[in-house]
Amino acid sequence: GAGVSQSPSNKVTEKGKDVELRCDPISGHTALYWYRQSLGQGLEFLIYFQGNSAPDKSGLPSDRFSAERTGGSVSTLTIQRTQQEDSAVYLCASSPSSGGAGPQHFGDGTRLSIL
Amino acid sequence: GQQLNQSPQSMFIQEGEDVSMNCTSSSIFNTWLWYKQEPGEGPVLLIALYKAGELTSNGRLTAQFGITRKDSFLNISASIPSDVGIYFCALESSGSARQLTFGSGTQLTVLP
Repeated sequence: GAGVSQSPSNKVTEKGKDVELRCDPISGHTALYWYRQSLGQGLEFLIYFQGNSAPDKSGLPSDRFSAERTGGSVSTLTIQRTQQEDSAVYLCASSPSSGGAGPQHFGDGTRLSIL
Repeated sequence: GQQLNQSPQSMFIQEGEDVSMNCTSSSIFNTWLWYKQEPGEGPVLLIALYKAGELTSNGRLTAQFGITRKDSFLNISASIPSDVGIYFCALESSGSARQLTFGSGTQLTVLP
C-alpha cells in the first residue's frame, strides 16, 4: 500500500483478555518498529524487526507483550492478560532499512482501551 | 538512558505569528528529527537533520541541528490554522536498530 496500515483503528476490551494488533508496513520496507503512546505523552519504543527477526526487544514492558513478523511484511503485536495500564495508542513504523536509509514512516495507530 | 527535554509544553499564538520550540538532550546524537502529529493520526516527518550546525527549511518551517549536537530548534513562520497539532522532536539511536526517542511534544494552538 501507499503507507503503513494498522488495524484495528480502535479496540476496546476487558481487563484480562488478550489482544492482537496488526501492522502492514510500506511495501519493500525491511525495518519495522512498534511504539506506544500514552495519553499526552511522546512515543515509547517497544520492539524493532529487521526482516522477520527482532534483534531489539528492549522496549517491551513485560512478558505479556510479544510480537512477530512473517514474510518480511505483516507484523502482529500481542498483549496477553491485558491490564488497564496497557491502554494507549500503539503505533507502527517502517523504513527501507535500519541502516539510515530513509526515515521511519508511521501508521495512524491502534487506540487500545482496557476497561 | 538519554534524557530528551522539549519545550514549551504548549503554545497559544495568533494566526500570522512566528513560533519557536526546542529540544535538548543529555547526550550527543547524529540525527535530529522533527515530527508533527494531528489527532487520530500517526506522526509525520517534517524535517530531518544529520549534521551539526545544519539549518534546513521546509516551506514555512526551519530547523537547526545545534553545534554541540545536543540541541535543536524548530521555527514556524507566519502561522496558519492548519499548523495546529503536536510537534515532537526525536533522536535516532546510534545502534543498528536506529529506534527513535521522542520528546514529550509541544501542543500548538493557532487562534484566528
